[in-house]
Amino acid sequence: GIQVEQSPPDLILQEGANSTLRCNFSDSVNNLQWFHQNPWGQLINLFYIPSGTKQNGRLSATTVATERYSLLYISSSQTTDSGVYFCAVGLGGTASKLTFGTGTRLQVTL
Amino acid sequence: NAGVTQTPKFQVLKTGQSMTLQCAQDMNHNSMYWYRQDPGMGLRLIYYSASEGTTDKGEVPNGYNVSRLNKREFSLRLESAAPSQTSVYFCATTGSLGSYNEQFFGPGTRLTVL
Repeated sequence: GIQVEQSPPDLILQEGANSTLRCNFSDSVNNLQWFHQNPWGQLINLFYIPSGTKQNGRLSATTVATERYSLLYISSSQTTDSGVYFCAVGLGGTASKLTFGTGTRLQVTL
Repeated sequence: NAGVTQTPKFQVLKTGQSMTLQCAQDMNHNSMYWYRQDPGMGLRLIYYSASEGTTDKGEVPNGYNVSRLNKREFSLRLESAAPSQTSVYFCATTGSLGSYNEQFFGPGTRLTVL
């Protein structure tokens, strides 16, 4: 099956700092999503981005499908950005099954 | 709209007991999924249902059964719970076939098997 590796595994930032999270995957995919799991456990979909670049406020993501990686950028981080960020990939199609990475745990401090 | 709801939120079972986790969605989505999340790990797919009337095994189906009751509801059953099934269980949904591939998650059920 597809392997998904995320780096770094842990990250501590001071409020206001910027960061880049990386997701590498082992095979061609046509479905890639980024999720944020907040400290209460809720999973929120951030981006559906099988290729190209998208931006949503302070967050943006870029996927280079031909080189099998995706990047999630967080600018001007806030304490509410804390939590775990997951990358998940799949082959799309009717069932849209996803394989998840093990996540990057982000802590933003004052 | 409630989105994706799961019941119960918490459950403690003894080894060998059975239970059913319920999931319902009001997003009119076709596909539904059950995942488990263990400490320090990503989510792993247990079972999924691409559309009403179909179910298929995911990565870790052993010890579980599912029922797609109708378009809205997808339940996960543990027939004889084991301590290895202690985990947080998430239900998710995806929209129309071939499009709207974003997955949306319920709040999770934290299950402890003693």
